Amino acid sequence: AQSVAQPEDQVNVAEGNPLTVKCTYSVSGNPYLFWYVQYPNRGLQFLLKYITGDNLVKGSYGFEAEFNKSQTSFHLKKPSALVSDSALYFCAVRDDAGNNRKLIWGLGTSLAVNP
Amino acid sequence: SAVISQKPSRDICQRGTSLTIQCQVDSQVTMMFWYRQQPGQSLTLIATANQGSEATYESGFVIDKFPISRPNLTFSTLTVSNMSPEDSSIYLCSVESGKAYEQYFGPGTRLTVT
Repeated sequence: AQSVAQPEDQVNVAEGNPLTVKCTYSVSGNPYLFWYVQYPNRGLQFLLKYITGDNLVKGSYGFEAEFNKSQTSFHLKKPSALVSDSALYFCAVRDDAGNNRKLIWGLGTSLAVNP
Repeated sequence: SAVISQKPSRDICQRGTSLTIQCQVDSQVTMMFWYRQQPGQSLTLIATANQGSEATYESGFVIDKFPISRPNLTFSTLTVSNMSPEDSSIYLCSVESGKAYEQYFGPGTRLTVT
């Protein structure tokens, strides 16, 4: 069965420090992996995705994520955090097998960047 | 990316009534998805709606409670029927962006049932 785990409910970092938000997944086929961000009282915004190719993908707002097949991980990173990065982050996965277009969502990680 | 609008943005409804939420997309899309989200929590998929076919519901969701219409490639509605306070939530529609695979979301409808 497909699943996504975000092991940390909350991550706290100081402004200017690097940040990492963790995600691991389980699928039967090849994974399509996604990160979304939800700012307070706003809708979900797409950040970045891994479909195939280079394991390091770059997305919006200076975020990047590294696909690690052996560790089944897709951790979100940013070299220097901003207070405005404080939000709720969701990892999601889809299996490339068959015609199932449904995304499986993690429980979310609340990122707090302290000034 | 697709631009998605939802109506209403929020509503307060009485127990036992029904509310229909509209989702409009600025481009033609094959698949639309309806989700439910409690504030600060993860998303729960209610159903997938393809144009021209019956919606596919996830476990725990039934058509009598959450009827969905998909009359064309840019529009869908979700009705929350015979509401109870447990239906209070944020309802989101999303679309998949064709070959790019990612989903784009509407701003959500915040429903409160009293």
